Amino acid sequence: DVKVTQSSRYLVKRTGEKVFLECVQDMDHENMFWYRQDPGLGLRLIYFSYDVKMKEKGDIPEGYSVSREKKERFSLILESASTNQTSMYLCASSNPVGGEYGYTFGSGTRLTVV
Amino acid sequence: DQQVKQNSPSLSVQEGRISILNCDYTNSMFDYFLWYKKYPAEGPTFLISISSIKDKNEDGRFTVFLNKSAKHLSLHIVPSQPGDSAVYFCAASLYNTDKLIFGTGTRLQVFP
Repeated sequence: DVKVTQSSRYLVKRTGEKVFLECVQDMDHENMFWYRQDPGLGLRLIYFSYDVKMKEKGDIPEGYSVSREKKERFSLILESASTNQTSMYLCASSNPVGGEYGYTFGSGTRLTVV
Repeated sequence: DQQVKQNSPSLSVQEGRISILNCDYTNSMFDYFLWYKKYPAEGPTFLISISSIKDKNEDGRFTVFLNKSAKHLSLHIVPSQPGDSAVYFCAASLYNTDKLIFGTGTRLQVFP
């Protein structure tokens, strides 16, 4: 089974801090994604990557950046954390075989910015 | 603009009865529709999918129906069990991309 591992389950950071959220997948998937989940808003795509060193903006990229130096690792960076970035962050991966099998998600990181 | 909509934020069903979760979409370029289940403090897990060229797909207690003319799909769970209590997300895949667009979710509660 594909496993997607997010390095932290819970994080508390201060406003203005630089925050790194790490995600690693172990099935050689091409695609990796970062979403945030907020009540009433569902899952919103922040950034995604179809290949190493490649990234594309999703629907809500403002305040975030990403890094994909290795195929298995996709990092989300909050350059200067703000309280409105308090959320559940979900990493996912997939192979480029179309939408039938969807994504495999990690367990999520609950980030609180104080 | 929300391309995938789940208009019911919550649903409460008695154990053993049928649960019906609904989803509407606006984009005709979706080629697959998927349902994910999410427990608190966990990531979503894939449940079932359906191709846009089909109108029904069944997997055990879970059946997804697609009505393309109405741009509507539904997930039926029969019989419902307390362990089915979770948030269910509808998602749609854009043709020729690997992007999924998610709805806002429906919280299902199955009570004894």
